[in-house]
Amino acid sequence: SAVISQKPSRDICQRGTSLTIQCQVDSQVTMMFWYRQQPGQSLTLIATANQGSEATYESGFVIDKFPISRPNLTFSTLTVSNMSPEDSSIYLCSVEGGAETQYFGPGTRLLVL
Amino acid sequence: AQSVAQPEDQVNVAEGNPLTVKCTYSVSGNPYLFWYVQYPNRGLQFLLKYITGDNLVKGSYGFEAEFNKSQTSFHLKKPSALVSDSALYFCAVRERYSGAGSYQLTFGKGTKLSVIP
Repeated sequence: SAVISQKPSRDICQRGTSLTIQCQVDSQVTMMFWYRQQPGQSLTLIATANQGSEATYESGFVIDKFPISRPNLTFSTLTVSNMSPEDSSIYLCSVEGGAETQYFGPGTRLLVL
Repeated sequence: AQSVAQPEDQVNVAEGNPLTVKCTYSVSGNPYLFWYVQYPNRGLQFLLKYITGDNLVKGSYGFEAEFNKSQTSFHLKKPSALVSDSALYFCAVRERYSGAGSYQLTFGKGTKLSVIP
């Protein structure tokens, strides 16, 4: 299984600002994913990030709000732009770690005031 | 479209007793099924999966799950619960690979398991 780290682990931000979340994997992976887990809710896929191509966004998520970078096979960033309190969530990255299994990072806990 | 139902928001079980966390799914084709566990202030940890083969799959920490195609279920079980098993459990499904976009996992709402000493 892949070892995944995320930075920051948590943050408190003011509305209208932006936060960039980093996801680092200890091995090269083709597919990385970004999920959102709103308080008391399940996980919702935001986008799929493949190296060398534009991220693919799910319905309800747009690039202007959640720009994603994927500069190489071990790293990705997700930016939450122009934040509002409704963006308060846990943001998790995951990777397709082989054998049809996704492995998840520890998450970034975001509180927007 | 694929979906997952976890009918119980919370399951309480006494330590040492068997536990079951229920999951049913819906996909248009053959499923890949997964269980993940989330401890407080932690990310998701992979527990076990059904891809193909034996309907009874065994995973981490003594957990197992049985794939039942006719009932479209994938219930998580453990013969003897531990207090340390208390956590949030998520069932997830995706359709067996059939082209672009099929790596997407769909999660259930989660079931909070409380094991009482």
